[in-house]
Amino acid sequence: KNEVEQSPQNLTAQEGEFITINCSYSVGISALHWLQQHPGGGIVSLFMLSSGKKKHGRLIATINIQEKHSSLHITASHPRDSAVYICAAGGGHSGGGADGLTFGKGTHLIIQP
Amino acid sequence: DTGVSQDPRHKITKRGQNVTFRCDPISEHNRLYWYRQTLGQGPEFLTYFQNEAQLEKSRLLSDRFSAERPKGSFSTLEIQRTEQGDSAMYLCASSLRGSSVYNEQFFGPGTRLTVL
Repeated sequence: KNEVEQSPQNLTAQEGEFITINCSYSVGISALHWLQQHPGGGIVSLFMLSSGKKKHGRLIATINIQEKHSSLHITASHPRDSAVYICAAGGGHSGGGADGLTFGKGTHLIIQP
Repeated sequence: DTGVSQDPRHKITKRGQNVTFRCDPISEHNRLYWYRQTLGQGPEFLTYFQNEAQLEKSRLLSDRFSAERPKGSFSTLEIQRTEQGDSAMYLCASSLRGSSVYNEQFFGPGTRLTVL
């Protein structure tokens, strides 16, 4: 069982819809990353958070440390948001080094015009 | 460009050949990580360096894999006697280990390896 679980695995939505991607983790962490990966493989860090909520443009990330759960929200979704979104837990756990990351499998998001 | 760079971006090789990948981190970053990502999966941790010291290796890193960071700047990842199962995207990331408990990692574009 992966230590970081994401849902859904695949999500197709219409342009303008509010998107939510969920992440649950079973390990102790120092911080949680939300990453975006486009076809071709490059990974961009969207957020790193250890508590509360962060907002950047149309993206919002929240984390509940007690429940070991985080969500990524996209408001007013657009076709250019189509990508794989990956949740990754960092620090204070096995398998990822001192602050290497343990990744979820990713959520493949398609926003249709 | 001051981001993390990787070279080559794509590598096709025949089974049994050796390959070497290079990663250049962000210049002031003292930590460097290697990850592997197979199709449809999230990345998996392979190893990391603090300066020139390799501090941890995953059990995924078989004896055929070796990584170095000789001067604490760029790093190389070598795979000897490649197997078809080594086909994957190899990702490098770097971070600045400072006073914070945890530091954000910045990723390179990856090297996609195909073993025929």
